[in-house]
Amino acid sequence: KNQVEQSPQSLIILEGKNCTLQCNYTVSPFSNLRWYKQDTGRGPVSLTIMTFSENTKSNGRYTATLDADTKQSSLHITASQLSDSASYICVVSDRGSTLGRLYFGRGTQLTVWP
Amino acid sequence: EADIYQTPRYLVIGTGKKITLECSQTMGHDKMYWYQQDPGMELHLIHYSYGVNSTEKGDLSSESTVSRIRTEHFPLTLESARPSHTSQYLCASSERTGGFPNTGELFFGEGSRLTVL
Repeated sequence: KNQVEQSPQSLIILEGKNCTLQCNYTVSPFSNLRWYKQDTGRGPVSLTIMTFSENTKSNGRYTATLDADTKQSSLHITASQLSDSASYICVVSDRGSTLGRLYFGRGTQLTVWP
Repeated sequence: EADIYQTPRYLVIGTGKKITLECSQTMGHDKMYWYQQDPGMELHLIHYSYGVNSTEKGDLSSESTVSRIRTEHFPLTLESARPSHTSQYLCASSERTGGFPNTGELFFGEGSRLTVL
């Protein structure tokens, strides 16, 4: 069964600290993996996309990694800011069809305290 | 910021009422979607469209219906709302992609939070 599991479910850190969010998936065949950020009361916004051949990709203070062998991805946030408080959702796409199917994780709720 | 708009943002209605959630995008995207999101749960696809006059049901069974008469417009309708329909509804769009890999970034609206009393 294709699934996407995220951990931790929630996380509280102090402003300026780093944190790492995890995403494990069983989706096969794999096409790509995206991390989305969803602010409270808003729609999700894509942060980064990882394809099969990519190991690491950065977007400002966000760095995503992908280990396609172990089917794990992580999102590392450096020097956290209050505006990083949000839900971070891992979304994996398969390539069973030309248009792909998306599998969503339940998200990690990150709270950054001053 | 994505050019996709949802109205209303918040709606509180009584049981049995008919409601329509509006979704419009100005990006010219062929593909549009409706997702349902409950607190702490993953997004569930309830409807999608690959273009004008194309609509399909998603993975999660829903009593709602959709239409796609124009590329930019993808409204969702509930003929008779019930408390079980209380949820957040997210509209999204993406460019048409074919072949591998499917990069399919979704552009989401800000959501419509529906409460049925």
